[in-house]
Amino acid sequence: AQSVTQLGSHVSVSEGALVLLRCNYSSSVPPYLFWYVQYPNQGLQLLLKYTSAATLVKGINGFEAEFKKSETSFHLTKPSAHMSDAAEYFCAVTLNTGGFKTIFGAGTRLFVKA
Amino acid sequence: DGGITQSPKYLFRKEGQNVTLSCEQNLNHDAMYWYRQDPGQGLRLIYYSQIVNDFQKGDIAEGYSVSREKKESFPLTVTSAQKNPTAFYLCASSIGPSVHEQYFGPGTRLTVT
Repeated sequence: AQSVTQLGSHVSVSEGALVLLRCNYSSSVPPYLFWYVQYPNQGLQLLLKYTSAATLVKGINGFEAEFKKSETSFHLTKPSAHMSDAAEYFCAVTLNTGGFKTIFGAGTRLFVKA
Repeated sequence: DGGITQSPKYLFRKEGQNVTLSCEQNLNHDAMYWYRQDPGQGLRLIYYSQIVNDFQKGDIAEGYSVSREKKESFPLTVTSAQKNPTAFYLCASSIGPSVHEQYFGPGTRLTVT
């Protein structure tokens, strides 16, 4: 079955520290992968996407993610956390299984400590 | 400004009443989606539409209905048959079904008591 797993429902980092949010997927076909960010009581905003070009993808707000096929992972990183990064982050995968279907992970809430 | 609007932001209803959530986009996107978001569960797809006058059930369509009479509008009706309707509802759109990134509206928080 196709799925998306985000390890850790909550992650806490200090301001200036590395941010690492983990995402693993399960798919029998080549995936399209996305990270979205959601601020409280708002919709989701696209951070970055992988669509079979470069495996290291750069997004907005200094975030990047690396697609590792051998590990079926697409972890999100940012070298230095800022207070404004506190939000919920969702990993999503779109698969073509006779029709396109997008599956979202359960989300990881990022806390940034001063 | 182009984007997706959802109204209202907060909605309160009594149990047993149907309620319709509005979603409008001026992005000229063909595909539109409705998701339900509950704490700790990510987003679950209710209905989606790839083109005007056509829509398909998602993973949790029971108790919901939609229409797509115009390209820019995709209203969602939460019927009295939906057993647990209190949730945050998100509408999204994409250029087409084969272009995969989705643009989201600000959401409607529905509370049914």
